[in-house]
Amino acid sequence: DARVTQTPRDKVTEMGQEVTMRCQPILGHNTVFWYRQTMMQGLELLAYFRNRAPLDDSGMPKDRFSAEMPDATLATLKIQPSEPRDSAVYFCASGLDTLQGTAGELFFGEGSRLTVL
Amino acid sequence: DAKTTQPPSMDCAEGRAANLPCNHSTISGNEYVYWYRQIHSQGPQYIIHGLKNNETNEMASLIITEDRKSSTLILPHATLRDTAVYYCIVRRKYSGGGADGLTFGKGTHLIIQP
Repeated sequence: DARVTQTPRDKVTEMGQEVTMRCQPILGHNTVFWYRQTMMQGLELLAYFRNRAPLDDSGMPKDRFSAEMPDATLATLKIQPSEPRDSAVYFCASGLDTLQGTAGELFFGEGSRLTVL
Repeated sequence: DAKTTQPPSMDCAEGRAANLPCNHSTISGNEYVYWYRQIHSQGPQYIIHGLKNNETNEMASLIITEDRKSSTLILPHATLRDTAVYYCIVRRKYSGGGADGLTFGKGTHLIIQP
């Protein structure tokens, strides 16, 4: 089964440390999305890419968060420096957009649970 | 994107049909209705989507009213494994290709009772 793979699954770190989360989208998909989930805010869209180009990162705190796609098989979300309020589950999702405009579904990974002490 | 309104929680007996309502009164012509669900501690899972016609797949049926201002997701024979948070989302699709990200609300917590 094709699936979105995220690493690490769990990460505990101390305030001020750099955190990098990685995502391998499904082979052939051309869109990648990063979401953050907390009990208080629910699922929030942080950023998304199409064909490796960032299209929307308006939901992402710019001062400490950055998202990149070094190549088509890897997306990264980096937090530097991390703060306790960044504690959340971070989900990556991928999908396939087409020129025919077919509305496609998104496939989500299992998430990376981040705890910042 | 149009906003959606869902009841915060619902119960359903195992083996019965679960009918989950969603209001999206400000939906526009190029917006699809999507349903996802999230089982505890897992990533959201796609269920079904539609534009204006009713849709059915192996997981569920989607009934969209003629004015498209509301829809109902139907799980025909609910099992305990269907206990999850169900999200109704409207999402734009551009005819030239591409679409926006999904914007999740609070969803409906569906509890299937044995």
